[in-house]
Amino acid sequence: AQSVAQPEDQVNVAEGNPLTVKCTYSVSGNPYLFWYVQYPNRGLQFLLKYITGDNLVKGSYGFEAEFNKSQTSFHLKKPSALVSDSALYFCAVRDLLMTTDSWGKFQFGAGTQVVVTP
Amino acid sequence: NAGVTQTPKFQVLKTGQSMTLQCAQDMNHNSMYWYRQDPGMGLRLIYYSASEGTTDKGEVPNGYNVSRLNKREFSLRLESAAPSQTSVYFCASSEAQPGPEQFFGPGTRLTVL
Repeated sequence: AQSVAQPEDQVNVAEGNPLTVKCTYSVSGNPYLFWYVQYPNRGLQFLLKYITGDNLVKGSYGFEAEFNKSQTSFHLKKPSALVSDSALYFCAVRDLLMTTDSWGKFQFGAGTQVVVTP
Repeated sequence: NAGVTQTPKFQVLKTGQSMTLQCAQDMNHNSMYWYRQDPGMGLRLIYYSASEGTTDKGEVPNGYNVSRLNKREFSLRLESAAPSQTSVYFCASSEAQPGPEQFFGPGTRLTVL
């Protein structure tokens, strides 16, 4: 079975400061990992993904994420937050192990609300 | 290129009424999904269709049925709506192989009284 945990319901950061949103995962095989952002009354938008290769993944809007296999983590980061980054962020995992029931299905975390203050 | 579209955007039902949520994608994706989003619970998978002609249950399928009408369209039906089905429903699509990301529709906000 696969699972995703986002330990923080909300992250507060001042504009211009670094932003980190935490995500840990559990899968049977190797993971595909994703970050999405949701603005109010909108659908989810893809930010970035890790499939294989470099552990540091760069995505849209200046976001990046670091895959850490030993800690089973995939934290989202931005060096300098903007007020417009205020939104709900979701981490998701997809199991590569094709023999499990979870193959093909995405498992989403509960979401982390990011609030960036001017 | 509209991406993933959903209708309706909003709906209010009475307990016991039925309705169908429509979803269509124009990206030629093989896989399509229905999720519900509830506060503090993230997105939970209701049903998915790995390819045209196939459907499978997700995490919370009870009270719902789906139809993969063709490659473009994937509908979600509530046969007898219950207040517990009050939620925001999202349709998504992706390529069949693991790896590609999902693309989401704008959502349907459903209230069951």
